[in-house]
Amino acid sequence: GPKVLQIPSHQIIDMGQMVTLNCDPVSNHLYFYWYKQILGQQMEFLVNFYNGKVMEKSKLFKDQFSVERPDGSYFTLKIQPTALEDSAVYFCASSFRSQNTLYFGAGTRLSVL
Amino acid sequence: AQSVTQPDARVTVSEGASLQLRCKYSYFGTPYLFWYVQYPRQGLQLLLKYYPGDPVVQGVNGFEAEFSKSNSSFHLRKASVHWSDWAVYFCAVNYNQGKLIFGQGTKLSIKP
Repeated sequence: GPKVLQIPSHQIIDMGQMVTLNCDPVSNHLYFYWYKQILGQQMEFLVNFYNGKVMEKSKLFKDQFSVERPDGSYFTLKIQPTALEDSAVYFCASSFRSQNTLYFGAGTRLSVL
Repeated sequence: AQSVTQPDARVTVSEGASLQLRCKYSYFGTPYLFWYVQYPRQGLQLLLKYYPGDPVVQGVNGFEAEFSKSNSSFHLRKASVHWSDWAVYFCAVNYNQGKLIFGQGTKLSIKP
């Protein structure tokens, strides 16, 4: 099936540093998403993105978070500065339409020390 | 409020036995429902999806699910489990603009 690629699979950084998580969505998809999964818990919606704009963000999407997809390339999640509580697995997803199936990447495990 | 509840955190079944994983949802309107599976150290993979229509939907690897509006349920079933089905299963509802609300997940273990 369609593949969403996430790079890197694991990132370790020091608290206060900036980190950018990269996502290569399915090529013809128009809607993009980030979800956060803390170890052992359910996945939670962070943000969705369409036509170059954030459509909706949850309360987990702190001011330190930002997303963009410059020139139709990678869809990125940037955290600046990072905090200990940002340690989690971040999943990227994409869909052709907002009510269509979301296809997820394998996740990036972010460890903030 | 919209929510998804998977009441069983862990389920253990014998290989070859039948399986049912429970999912209850709370949603105003007609829901779009999904079951995803997460294998160890992998991302979510879609098992099946329900769009308004036939209440029984077929998925990959012999899985099926049945939508019940009266019971607000979307239980997942399989007639005969295989050891390769060992994974975590998530039920989800598409709330708005692709915002999925997930259940807590059910960890399935298989006894040989």
